[in-house]
Amino acid sequence: EDKVVQSPLSLVVHEGDTVTLNCSYEVTNFRSLLWYKQEKKAPTFLFMLTSSGIEKKSGRLSSILDKKELFSILNITATQTGDSAIYLCAVMDFGNEKLTFGTGTRLTIIP
Amino acid sequence: ETGVTQTPRHLVMGMTNKKSLKCEQHLGHNAMYWYKQSAKKPLELMFVYSLEERVENNSVPSRFSPECPNSSHLFLHLHTLQPEDSALYLCASSQVRGAQPQHFGDGTRLSIL
Repeated sequence: EDKVVQSPLSLVVHEGDTVTLNCSYEVTNFRSLLWYKQEKKAPTFLFMLTSSGIEKKSGRLSSILDKKELFSILNITATQTGDSAIYLCAVMDFGNEKLTFGTGTRLTIIP
Repeated sequence: ETGVTQTPRHLVMGMTNKKSLKCEQHLGHNAMYWYKQSAKKPLELMFVYSLEERVENNSVPSRFSPECPNSSHLFLHLHTLQPEDSALYLCASSQVRGAQPQHFGDGTRLSIL
């Protein structure tokens, strides 16, 4: 059974800090890893990663995948209060074409 | 605006009631999904529809009954629910089954009294 573990479960930092969120996974036949941001409503797509070592970047957010060690990190630099959200990691298996989600990391940015 | 609209946003119902959740996508996608999100638990996939045909049913109790009349609309009919069914129910769509990313609606927050 596919499994995704995110850490930490929650994180509180001050505005301007840099944070790193972790996602480790076990999947039978890895296809892709996705990061979503969930505020009080719809999870919104951030990144999709399929290859090791290639950093994806969007503004202050970046993410990288390590397929050998089976993990991904999501970095947020110069955090802002608008970054407060739950960050979800999910993996897709080639075999069953289903997304398996982790429980998420709840990030709180203090002004 | 994600292109996926869910109604109602909130629903409170008794255990003997019958209600339906509605999802509509305006993205021209061919696959639609129902997920359940409970506190401190990962999103759980409930049902998958591809071209209006149900292709996945993740051991969901029969008190949840999905319906997909066309590729733009998805319903989740509820009857005789239990308190543990209280959760956020999210609808998502993708271009085809298995395509990423999936686009999510804002969800329906369901409370069972």
